[in-house]
Amino acid sequence: SYALTQPPSLSVSPGQTASIPCSGETLGDFSSSWYQQRPGQSPVLVIFQDNKRPSGVPERFSGSRSGNIAALTISGAQATDDAVYYCQVWGPYSPVFGGGTTLTVL
Amino acid sequence: EVQLVESGGGLVKPGGSLRLSCEASGFTFRTHTMSWVRQAPGKGLEWISSISSSSTYTYRGASVTGRLTLARDNAKNSLYLQMDRLRVEDTAIYYCTRSGFDCTSTKCDNNWFESWGQGTLVTVSS
Repeated sequence: SYALTQPPSLSVSPGQTASIPCSGETLGDFSSSWYQQRPGQSPVLVIFQDNKRPSGVPERFSGSRSGNIAALTISGAQATDDAVYYCQVWGPYSPVFGGGTTLTVL
Repeated sequence: EVQLVESGGGLVKPGGSLRLSCEASGFTFRTHTMSWVRQAPGKGLEWISSISSSSTYTYRGASVTGRLTLARDNAKNSLYLQMDRLRVEDTAIYYCTRSGFDCTSTKCDNNWFESWGQGTLVTVSS
């Protein structure tokens, strides 16, 4: 088994850029995905294969991966982006999620 | 529109069993790998099991190995999760998910969870 590490929380002002890192040994070998979970709601995929956005996800969401670190960047954060964000990797043995980062936009 | 609707959650005593169902619509169910992901109250996400499109491959997490049976019925567009010998720590919301691509071997590396249901709550308590 392996682990993905995220900071527990991050706070930004509206309009600022939020960057959430995710680190793990296997990130150098496998692609990452990111999920947004607003309070009381199911998770929603916002990034897959490191930097692809599903249809309907705003362009201000972007993803990157370099070495053993993946990152989700929200450019021009809005109040609606208040949520918990989880990174995820599938491999080498099974899917694993990071512990989640609570993003506060205020 | 992709829809995943879970059912079957509820209160069960430790040591008991439960069968969860997920009814899918809005996409070609028989061509997708499907998975269950759970979330304990106030905690993060935990993958527990996946099954390939034709049921050829199943994948199980370490925390549930030996206590879980995953099945699907492509004719009914349905996914099932049978959990036995339930423990208090199995208390969670269980989400049915559709994966990004179909798994075609004993490994399913680089996959992701594309669509999620609303979840069904399982509470294990005496």
